[in-house]
Amino acid sequence: GENVEQHPSTLSVQEGDSAVIKCTYSDSASNYFPWYKQELGKGPQLIIDIRSNVGEKKDQRIAVTLNKTAKHFSLHITETQPEDSAVYFCAASIEGGGADGLTFGKGTHLIIQP
Amino acid sequence: DVKVTQSSRYLVKRTGEKVFLECVQDMDHENMFWYRQDPGLGLRLIYFSYDVKMKEKGDIPEGYSVSREKKERFSLILESASTNQTSMYLCASSSQSAGVIYNEQFFGPGTRLTVL
Repeated sequence: GENVEQHPSTLSVQEGDSAVIKCTYSDSASNYFPWYKQELGKGPQLIIDIRSNVGEKKDQRIAVTLNKTAKHFSLHITETQPEDSAVYFCAASIEGGGADGLTFGKGTHLIIQP
Repeated sequence: DVKVTQSSRYLVKRTGEKVFLECVQDMDHENMFWYRQDPGLGLRLIYFSYDVKMKEKGDIPEGYSVSREKKERFSLILESASTNQTSMYLCASSSQSAGVIYNEQFFGPGTRLTVL
């Protein structure tokens, strides 16, 4: 089955700086890569996703890049703000994450230092 | 506003008890999922269902069973709870909309289960 590795497990950055979280996956058939943000006391919430037919996607301060050859994808957050503090999970899916579930990375605890 | 609700936020049970965790979604989604979340291990899929009365094993189904008698409700059952099942349990749902291959999963707030 699919295996997703996520690094780092904890990331501390100064407010206003950029943060980068990296993930690798094992199954070259995976074709859908979402990122979820989990705030304290809440369930994860989708913040951005990317399909295998594009290399980069951006939504305001958040961007995701995908390198299918190397089987890795990354989340980039620019101009970090206190509300960005949370646990972030990457995930990969072969069938699109619909009925087959997602394989998640172990999560990155992002801490924004004031 | 889409919503996935879970019956309890916190639950304390004794070893050997039968435990029911309930999940309800109001989005008319076909797919429903149960994950457990543990520190350092991320989210791991226990079971999922793509239709009423249908169920499929995920990555860690041992010690668990599920029930889906109605489209909006998906129950996770611990037949005989053990201490190693102490965890955060998350329910999620997603749609099978025609023409939409990649479907966002919507999560509930989670149930923190402690087995003593």
